[in-house]
Amino acid sequence: GQQVMQIPQYQHVQEGEDFTTYCNSSTTLSNIQWYKQRPGGHPVFLIQLVKSGEVKKQKRLTFQFGEAKKNSSLHITATQTTDVGTYFCAGANQAGTALIFGKGTTLSVSS
Amino acid sequence: NAGVMQNPRHLVRRRGQEARLRCSPMKGHSHVYWYRQLPEEGLKFMVYLQKENIIDESGMPKERFSAEFPKEGPSILRIQQVVRGDSAAYFCASSPTSTGDGAFFGQGTRLTVV
Repeated sequence: GQQVMQIPQYQHVQEGEDFTTYCNSSTTLSNIQWYKQRPGGHPVFLIQLVKSGEVKKQKRLTFQFGEAKKNSSLHITATQTTDVGTYFCAGANQAGTALIFGKGTTLSVSS
Repeated sequence: NAGVMQNPRHLVRRRGQEARLRCSPMKGHSHVYWYRQLPEEGLKFMVYLQKENIIDESGMPKERFSAEFPKEGPSILRIQQVVRGDSAAYFCASSPTSTGDGAFFGQGTRLTVV
């Protein structure tokens, strides 16, 4: 079945360092969505990318969608302790009836 | 505009009992999804419903689990005869369209089976 994979599973950085998580799908995606879940919290929608090669920025966060629409990345510049959490990517299944989530990348930041 | 409301937040059940998890979607959202999350795992899709219809239940175990989204009232995820392996966080999400515009998650119900 369709799979969405993320690497790394865990990442620890010092405050101020950059962070990147990568997402790969076994199938071409119509769109890719990114979510953040704080420890003990619920997933919060961050952004959606639709076009091949699309790049979107939200302050220190940069999201990219690959040319083949099978991979994506999230890059955080100069991490802060408030960035701590698990970042999930998700793509729609073939039928368009569900989002298939990756297992997430858990980011920890030490000051 | 209240967000997605789930209750209860925490639910403890003994093995063999029934668990009922409720979800009220955001106002104006007619698409509801249920996901299950185990510790340190991703979100596993269970079921997708629209009002009075189950659209996709491919992620739902064939036995003991059922879901509904009646014309009036919240969506219900029902787990009969719970077992320890059912312990997890169950999240409901709603969206205005099917998968296309981002999903808004509730705070989840943490089910513990003892």
